[in-house]
Amino acid sequence: GAVVSQHPSWVICKSGTSVKIECRSLDFQATTMFWYRQFPKQSLMLMATSNEGSKATYEQGVEKDKFLINHASLTLSTLTVTSAHPEDSSFYICSAEARGQGADTQYFGPGTRLTVL
Amino acid sequence: KQEVTQIPAALSVPEGENLVLNCSFTDSAIYNLQWFRQDPGKGLTSLLLIQSSQREQTSGRLNASLDKSSGRSTLYIAASQPGDSATYLCAVCSGSRLTFGEGTQLTVNP
Repeated sequence: GAVVSQHPSWVICKSGTSVKIECRSLDFQATTMFWYRQFPKQSLMLMATSNEGSKATYEQGVEKDKFLINHASLTLSTLTVTSAHPEDSSFYICSAEARGQGADTQYFGPGTRLTVL
Repeated sequence: KQEVTQIPAALSVPEGENLVLNCSFTDSAIYNLQWFRQDPGKGLTSLLLIQSSQREQTSGRLNASLDKSSGRSTLYIAASQPGDSATYLCAVCSGSRLTFGEGTQLTVNP
């Protein structure tokens, strides 16, 4: 089956540093990847949609200059949290939509726990 | 804007009980609805996907129904087990976008 990996699985950093999270589709090509954020006891909130080779589309209220998304290949998207602050601490989950399939075929990564001290 | 609501927010039952989780959505123009399981600190596991043209899907002890016109779905879990303890998320697909509910935290006590 389709597998999506995320790296790292968890990260702890000091306030003000930048953190990069990778999302990879291991055995399929993903034309579209999605980035979600989940705060404790809350549901997943879509942050942005990235299409390979083009700029990401951000949801309302998500700062594009703070959350940099790069989707340079059909198997890799990265989310960089720039100048992270404690309020950015959250669980970040990516999903990948397989090429040739509809929007219903999103495969989710295992998530990355970010803690900003 | 699509909104998804799940009731109850939390549920605790003794092992062996049958139970129903509820999901409602405001915009009936959907492609499909999906139920996920999430264990603490983990990603999502897809349980069942119901296309908009379908009324239900079954997998093992799980049965999900969809009433698109009324904007409702239910997830039925038969003969619950302690291993079923997790958060269950309902997600509605409209276009290329999934909108999630806040989940039902299920605890099955041995």
